[in-house]
Amino acid sequence: GQSLEQPSEVTAVEGAIVQINCTYQTSGFYGLSWYQQHDGGAPTFLSYNGLDGLEETGRFSSFLSRSDSYGYLLLQELQMKDSASYFCAVRDTQAGKSTFGDGTTLTVKP
Amino acid sequence: GAVVSQHPSRVICKSGTSVKIECRSLDFQATTMFWYRQFPKQSLMLMATSNEGSKATYEQGVEKDKFLINHASLTLSTLTVTSAHPEDSSFYICSASRTGFEKLFFGSGTQLSVL
Repeated sequence: GQSLEQPSEVTAVEGAIVQINCTYQTSGFYGLSWYQQHDGGAPTFLSYNGLDGLEETGRFSSFLSRSDSYGYLLLQELQMKDSASYFCAVRDTQAGKSTFGDGTTLTVKP
Repeated sequence: GAVVSQHPSRVICKSGTSVKIECRSLDFQATTMFWYRQFPKQSLMLMATSNEGSKATYEQGVEKDKFLINHASLTLSTLTVTSAHPEDSSFYICSASRTGFEKLFFGSGTQLSVL
């Protein structure tokens, strides 16, 4: 079956750096994405890795190691507005279907 | 940027009635859209893949006769929850991708409450 594992909760202070890990076991792999979701809102796209390595987008970076079935999202210079749930998702078919992890709730404290 | 619009944002209905949820891609054509269900503090569970001009592909355990999906045009997919029951109460979200499926754009979601 498909499974993605990520920590359920992470807490950090403003200005800090936090890393959210994601390990996956899926029948197919076409890429790893990260999404942010605030309470009551819709998920918004943050980053995508199709190949091994680091992708940087402003304060957010994402890393992928396909041989280890592992990726992470790195959030730098944390702000209060970064408090949200973060989901990793594996695109496991060429047709675009994705399986989502259970999400990591990030709480940023002053 | 690409935008996906979803309506209604919230609906309350009586048990036994049907509810239709619309998902529109506003500035791009989407041959494929996805429908998810999400319970509070939980993950997005894929219900079905909606394909323009053909039948939807449902995930295992999802009743296709209960959750009717129609993708009649390149910009519109609809999910109809038929004969809704309280256990169908949930947050329903659609998504679409412009190309390549690397980046999904999500609708704002529909909170369905069945009394």
